[in-house]
Amino acid sequence: SQQGEEDPQALSIQEGENATMNCSYKTSINNLQWYRQNSGRGLVHLILIRSNEREKHSGRLRVTLDTSKKSSSLLITASRAADTASYFCATDKTGTASKLTFGTGTRLQVTL
Amino acid sequence: DAGITQSPRHKVTETGTPVTLRCHQTENHRYMYWYRQDPGHGLRLIHYSYGVKDTDKGEVSDGYSVSRSKTEDFLLTLESATSSQTSVYFCATGQGAGETQYFGPGTRLLVL
Repeated sequence: SQQGEEDPQALSIQEGENATMNCSYKTSINNLQWYRQNSGRGLVHLILIRSNEREKHSGRLRVTLDTSKKSSSLLITASRAADTASYFCATDKTGTASKLTFGTGTRLQVTL
Repeated sequence: DAGITQSPRHKVTETGTPVTLRCHQTENHRYMYWYRQDPGHGLRLIHYSYGVKDTDKGEVSDGYSVSRSKTEDFLLTLESATSSQTSVYFCATGQGAGETQYFGPGTRLLVL
């Protein structure tokens, strides 16, 4: 089964609203990353948060990490139509050198 | 974008034929990865490389082989294509183990 599970699987909001998606994982990690994928394209890295960090910001993105609950959240503030994409979390599990394990993604639709 | 190209971008082939996909990078990244993406499964790691001639299996390696004879190129071969290998294949590169990965545009493969 996937190490990372995103929730919800799909999210539809209006432009200007905030979007929150969550990722849960099962084993200890070195870091957790979030990626975006526009339809038919490759994944683009958004943000990396290490296991000793609790929160990181990048522009309109805010990521939190709770290692005690084995969960992370990605908040996109003031969403735009261009944010429409699928969002994936990926974990670098402790003891599995070199490899990331991806979740199945959250499909975000931002409407005008 | 880390200067990653994949070829071909689209391919249709018949069951039982060998297929080779190529990934080329211009960033001199040590690590290279091959993933497949299927609906409901997210991205799954097929094989990866941690240096020239150094490769290892991912979670879905059966029926696939890889080679890396130089830093820039990572080849994925389907030894005898099956319909279950119809998928979108992504190459990715990274500078360090478990760190940010940079993705190519993908190859859509249809096995008839």
